[in-house]
Amino acid sequence: DVKVTQSSRYLVKRTGEKVFLECVQDMDHENMFWYRQDPGLGLRLIYFSYDVKMKEKGDIPEGYSVSREKKERFSLILESASTNQTSMYLCASSLLGRIITDTQYFGPGTRLTVL
Amino acid sequence: EDKVVQSPLSLVVHEGDTVTLNCSYEVTNFRSLLWYKQEKKAPTFLFMLTSSGIEKKSGRLSSILDKKELFSILNITATQTGDSAIYLCAVGRDGTASKLTFGTGTRLQVTL
Repeated sequence: DVKVTQSSRYLVKRTGEKVFLECVQDMDHENMFWYRQDPGLGLRLIYFSYDVKMKEKGDIPEGYSVSREKKERFSLILESASTNQTSMYLCASSLLGRIITDTQYFGPGTRLTVL
Repeated sequence: EDKVVQSPLSLVVHEGDTVTLNCSYEVTNFRSLLWYKQEKKAPTFLFMLTSSGIEKKSGRLSSILDKKELFSILNITATQTGDSAIYLCAVGRDGTASKLTFGTGTRLQVTL
């Protein structure tokens, strides 16, 4: 059973703080993703990674950075949190393979509030 | 730009009803279409469709893809209150390291 865990379910931070969101998967998946989910906007991809130390920008990378030092762990960093980054953050992972392996498995999400 | 549109945005039905959720897409180099169910937290995977006309079924849920008309439907028969959730449709493209483009979802509420 695929397990994706996120470090916090709820987080409250102040404007300007540096924020770290951690995601860990236990299925040896190559691909990992960070999304934010907002009402009416659906899931939007922030960054993804298809290998250790590799990262690619998604659709809305501004104000975020990521780190992938180990295969199982993918961190999202908000360098200087702003109120418009208040959102639900979802991490996901998927396998890289010859067959179609688009299925992504999601963590429980972190609801971040920036005051 | 890839586009995935789901309809309706929300609906309320009575327990026992049958519902059909729609997903249309405009994606270059289409590879797959996925359905997820999201209750209070993480989206959970329901189906992945890659070929036209083949129905995927799991209990009371079923889904079919039409690659010519660029849409998919998710059917839920004999709905139960536990089916209340947001249903997400997502599309994968060739050559994009398994990136998915998501629709905004359909919020389904099943009442007694």
